[in-house]
Amino acid sequence: NAGVTQTPKFQVLKTGQSMTLQCAQDMNHEYMSWYRQDPGMGLRLIHYSVGAGITDQGEVPNGYNVSRSTTEDFPLRLLSAAPSQTSVYFCASSSPRGGREAFFGQGTRLTVV
Amino acid sequence: AQSVTQLGSHVSVSEGALVLLRCNYSSSVPPYLFWYVQYPNQGLQLLLKYTSAATLVKGINGFEAEFKKSETSFHLTKPSAHMSDAAEYFCAVTSPTSGTYKYIFGTGTRLKVLA
Repeated sequence: NAGVTQTPKFQVLKTGQSMTLQCAQDMNHEYMSWYRQDPGMGLRLIHYSVGAGITDQGEVPNGYNVSRSTTEDFPLRLLSAAPSQTSVYFCASSSPRGGREAFFGQGTRLTVV
Repeated sequence: AQSVTQLGSHVSVSEGALVLLRCNYSSSVPPYLFWYVQYPNQGLQLLLKYTSAATLVKGINGFEAEFKKSETSFHLTKPSAHMSDAAEYFCAVTSPTSGTYKYIFGTGTRLKVLA
């Protein structure tokens, strides 16, 4: 099993550009989420989904969109990139089966210039 | 509402010394608690988890943590630090009864192991 796969690993954007961070999991997990990690702030929840067709906002949703058309995929869209969105982004998935532990992707390091 | 506080953003220990990383939580319902480790330029890896069974939880790489309800704590320990333990450690809480499966993370503790 690949677990949680994120692409790309690195990305540089210019201010105002848009892009989509991809996330796919092969564990048939119901719950998927996106976090951003910034120094000294831990991981902050951007958006999450409890199943296909169901998404909701987390702690820091502004500037990001998500959709979940399948159980496996949960892309994160930056509509108009800003320097404040420079961060490391992690996708995670989990399930009520097996104690709800979250499985993380390897992260996408995004720089907005 | 739930929250997690990790005391000490940086902790240094000598190789072979005890590792103690502190985590206190706040939760209005019985929580599930987790410790994750992050090595440089990698994702988060589960070290151990508390899911309301035994209060002393053993994890990978010789780490363990004890759930203390009276102190609302879930501190991570390892009897003898190894150089390979140098990493950032995150404590996280979630509610087993929540339909959203949200996780709240602490701000992390960076562990440095001195030779």
